[in-house]
Amino acid sequence: DTVLTQSPALAVSPGERVTISCRASESVSTLMHWYQQKPGQQPTLLIYLASNLESGVPARFSGSGSGTDFTLTIDPVEADDTATYYCQQSWNDPPTFGAGTKLELK
Amino acid sequence: EVQLVESGGGLVQPKGSLKLSCAASGFDFNSYGMSWVRQAPGKGLDLVADISSKSYNYATYYADSVKDRFTISRDDSQSMVYLQMDNLKTEDTALYYCTVDNYGWFAYWGQGTLVTVSS
Repeated sequence: DTVLTQSPALAVSPGERVTISCRASESVSTLMHWYQQKPGQQPTLLIYLASNLESGVPARFSGSGSGTDFTLTIDPVEADDTATYYCQQSWNDPPTFGAGTKLELK
Repeated sequence: EVQLVESGGGLVQPKGSLKLSCAASGFDFNSYGMSWVRQAPGKGLDLVADISSKSYNYATYYADSVKDRFTISRDDSQSMVYLQMDNLKTEDTALYYCTVDNYGWFAYWGQGTLVTVSS
């Protein structure tokens, strides 16, 4: 299975720019997607196909990358962005998720 | 508005069975694959099972950890998707989410139903 590696946690101050990385163990082309999970809530889709912003998601969120290296950027970060962010690939079967990056606000 | 409402979770003993249900509305259910994704307490997300639309012959996928124990099914006439879980193990304890599989990414998620396997 394709393993997706994410940094466990990040801490940033409101107003800053943050990048969350996801590295795949093999190429996933651009079939990488990002989700946000706030505490006690279900995940929600932020970005699909590496760089496409899901409808209703603030333009502060953006995604980039291809192959094995992907990035989710939040600029500027707001207090409400406290959450765990997961990447997920669908190029290789089975679809797999990263372990998540917990974003904390200072 | 897309709505996914899961039900059927609860406390069950090891080797027991449960059937989860997901009622879907607000989108063309017949055109989408449906999936169950679970999250063990304090852990990440794992795809458990997936069933494609009729256009793809209702093809199914199961994670190795649940193969031969879980069965996913759907009723397009009722916009329902199910997960029959047999021979449950303590490691199946998790919050189970019903999701819409939009050709590889999970566009919508329900609130989840909690399954606890314990003696």
